[in-house]
Amino acid sequence: AQRVTQPEKLLSVFKGAPVELKCNYSYSGSPELFWYVQYSRQRLQLLLRHISRESIKGFTADLNKGETSFHLKKPFAQEEDSAMYYCALRSNDYKLSFGAGTTVTVRA
Amino acid sequence: GAVVSQHPSRVICKSGTSVKIECRSLDFQATTMFWYRQFPKQSLMLMATSNEGSKATYEQGVEKDKFLINHASLTLSTLTVTSAHPEDSSFYICSARDLLWSTDTQYFGPGTRLTVL
Repeated sequence: AQRVTQPEKLLSVFKGAPVELKCNYSYSGSPELFWYVQYSRQRLQLLLRHISRESIKGFTADLNKGETSFHLKKPFAQEEDSAMYYCALRSNDYKLSFGAGTTVTVRA
Repeated sequence: GAVVSQHPSRVICKSGTSVKIECRSLDFQATTMFWYRQFPKQSLMLMATSNEGSKATYEQGVEKDKFLINHASLTLSTLTVTSAHPEDSSFYICSARDLLWSTDTQYFGPGTRLTVL
């Protein structure tokens, strides 16, 4: 069985400060990890996926298999980054397991 | 990008009635759709996987006779909450798996808020 852990429920940072959202997982197979974001009153949308190794909206995330982590980082947070962030793991049967989510508030 | 719609966006019903929620992929065909449930301030929990033309597969603890899923076409899946009770009140979200136009991504609907009185 797979499990995704996001230890921080709430994260508050000042504009321009770095932000890091932690995500750890457990899965016996070869995982595919994702970060999804949900802005206020909007639907869940894909932010980035580990296989793409890309930066979206200044966010990056590196899969560390040794530490079973997929932390999300952004060097300079912006107010528009305030949202709910979910880490998710996709298993071999294409099902997604979500972490509990982290609410990020970026203060001016 | 791919768009998934849900209807209705919110519904209030009396205890004992049945409610149908529709999930549509608007600009792509989805052989697989997923249904999730989200309680307030909690994460999304997968309820079932809906496959076009075949029976849905349910996660452990989800009553298949309570939550009827029909995936009759490549663009439509429906979730019917039968004999709804107040404990069924929740936010129901569907997603559709897009194989053709992207690297196998799930796109999410906006969700349906169900309130059972």
